Amino acid sequence: AQTVTQSQPEMSVQEAETVTLSCTYDTSESNYYLFWYKQPPSRQMILVIRQEAYKQQNATENRFSVNFQKAAKSFSLKISDSQLGDTAMYFCAFMIGRDDKIIFGKGTRLHILP
Amino acid sequence: DAGITQSPRYKITETGRQVTLMCHQTWSHSYMFWYRQDLGHGLRLIYYSAAADITDKGEVPDGYVVSRSKTENFPLTLESATRSQTSVYFCASSAGSGSTQYFGPGTRLTVL
Repeated sequence: AQTVTQSQPEMSVQEAETVTLSCTYDTSESNYYLFWYKQPPSRQMILVIRQEAYKQQNATENRFSVNFQKAAKSFSLKISDSQLGDTAMYFCAFMIGRDDKIIFGKGTRLHILP
Repeated sequence: DAGITQSPRYKITETGRQVTLMCHQTWSHSYMFWYRQDLGHGLRLIYYSAAADITDKGEVPDGYVVSRSKTENFPLTLESATRSQTSVYFCASSAGSGSTQYFGPGTRLTVL
């Protein structure tokens, strides 16, 4: 069975700092996808970034980037120049390519402090 | 461009009543999903559907029923609501084949 572990339940950083959220996963599959979703206080689930396991290059979306270590089964999210609007719950998620079902980690609550 | 919508956004009901949560998407996505979000558990898959008239169980299906007669709609029914089903429910859709899932705004359900 696939599992996703987020070891940091809660984090706080000062505005403009860089923060890294950790995620590890366990699978025997070779074809899979990894995601980070953001859930602000509005409760809406928003895709932050997506990584295909077959791609060696780390995905980047503006201030958001990932460090994908396939052998270590690690998928951390780095937020650069953090902003107050980044305050949210962040979920790491894993999808097997053959069935499209997502398994979510339990989330990391991130507070950006002014 | 409505995307994916859920109704109602908030619902309070009593134990034993039947409740139906609606989900509608305008993208013609083949896949649709229902999740529940509870404190300390993240999001857990209840049911999903790969196409109209095709549904399958997820991680926590007990006490729920789904149907999908049309591609754009995927209602979730609690046949006899229990307090343990108090949760926030999210619907999502995707084009399948590893595509990104897009989520609705969620429905907060309280069972008294």
